[in-house]
Amino acid sequence: NAGVTQTPKFRILKIGQSMTLQCAQDMNHNYMYWYRQDPGMGLKLIYYSVGAGITDKGEVPNGYNVSRSTTEDFPLRLELAAPSQTSVYFCASSYGRTPQETQYFGPGTRLLVL
Amino acid sequence: SQELEQSPQSLIVQEGKNLTINCTSSKTLYGLYWYKQKYGEGLIFLMMLQKGGEEKSHEKITAKLDEKKQQSSLHITASQPSHAGIYLCGADRHSQIAGGGTSYGKLTFGQGTILTVHP
Repeated sequence: NAGVTQTPKFRILKIGQSMTLQCAQDMNHNYMYWYRQDPGMGLKLIYYSVGAGITDKGEVPNGYNVSRSTTEDFPLRLELAAPSQTSVYFCASSYGRTPQETQYFGPGTRLLVL
Repeated sequence: SQELEQSPQSLIVQEGKNLTINCTSSKTLYGLYWYKQKYGEGLIFLMMLQKGGEEKSHEKITAKLDEKKQQSSLHITASQPSHAGIYLCGADRHSQIAGGGTSYGKLTFGQGTILTVHP
């Protein structure tokens, strides 16, 4: 299994541009998550999904959108990039069969908005 | 919302020394996770604790959840350069759901502890 994969690894955007961060998992996990990590701030949840077609907001959803058309994929969309969105983005997944389960993380996407 | 405070924020030790990282919560912890992150990489799962007093070990790393379930500690014995990285604690938000139900595994994370081990 490849686990959780993310593309691209690094991207520079200009203010106002849009892009999609890709996330895929091959473990047949039901739950998927998007977090952002700012220096010295830990990780904050942006959006999450409990299954195909079901998504919900996390702690910091403003400026982002998600979709979950398949179990495997959970892309994160930035419509109008802002400098405040400069961060490292992590995708994670878990089975979701019990209340507390291990989340498996992807390698991250570093985004710089100038 | 549940706040998690890690201490210290950074730690520099000589190889072979023992060390402890703490994670303190403002509310009762329901599922406490420890992850390790190397710079530029994703998070690697270390351990999960659920019950008060629970203690788990993996190689030279031991984690414990205190009886009152509001603090966890991560202890590394005889540290090695391979232990260097950022250690993050994460907590399940189950306790935040009014009227019960599931938190769907949403985690709140501490700010991380940067560990440097000098050979």
